[in-house]
Amino acid sequence: KAGVTQTPRYLIKTRGQQVTLSCSPISGHRSVSWYQQTPGQGLQFLFEYFSETQRNKGNFPGRFSGRQFSNSRSEMNVSTLELGDSALYLCASRPTGPNTEAFFGQGTRLTVV
Amino acid sequence: GENVEQHPSTLSVQEGDSAVIKCTYSDSASNYFPWYKQELGKRPQLIIDIRSNVGEKKDQRIAVTLNKTAKHFSLHITETQPEDSAVYFCAATAFGNEKLTFGTGTRLTIIP
Repeated sequence: KAGVTQTPRYLIKTRGQQVTLSCSPISGHRSVSWYQQTPGQGLQFLFEYFSETQRNKGNFPGRFSGRQFSNSRSEMNVSTLELGDSALYLCASRPTGPNTEAFFGQGTRLTVV
Repeated sequence: GENVEQHPSTLSVQEGDSAVIKCTYSDSASNYFPWYKQELGKRPQLIIDIRSNVGEKKDQRIAVTLNKTAKHFSLHITETQPEDSAVYFCAATAFGNEKLTFGTGTRLTIIP
């Protein structure tokens, strides 16, 4: 079974631009969550989607948005990029049901210059 | 919302010794506590988890303990080996809530 796939693996963008990251979950997983990882801050929750609906949202500004498609693939968009948005963005998929394991992708390393 | 604190942020132990990482959580409704290991340049992977209906769980050299009254849980690694060197994250979530709140991580270094 294929794991969680994130594309692209690396991105370099300029301040003010926007970016879209993609996440393909494990087949059959309908829950997809996004996290921002920065040194010293750990994994900060951005949002979670289930069956195309956002179920949870973290404390990030409105510049961060996401969506999920009918095949459970998810995209995350960041508009008006700031230098502080430079981070590793990880997505994780989970099987349906309470307290299930989250399977992470390799992440997208975003650098804003 | 949930807040998870993790200590220490860095930990160095001699190979063969034990390592303990501690986390506290704030939401008394939290009932699922996974631990993830992230090796350098790799994705986080689940190594062990515990649910609030048990106080301790073991898997070979790894164990997790949970104290619901004090709202803290700990990861114990015995007979540490060089391959245990990694960043470890604790997390907490409440039943039915798919939002995992992570601690800030512990960088564990095993000294040969």
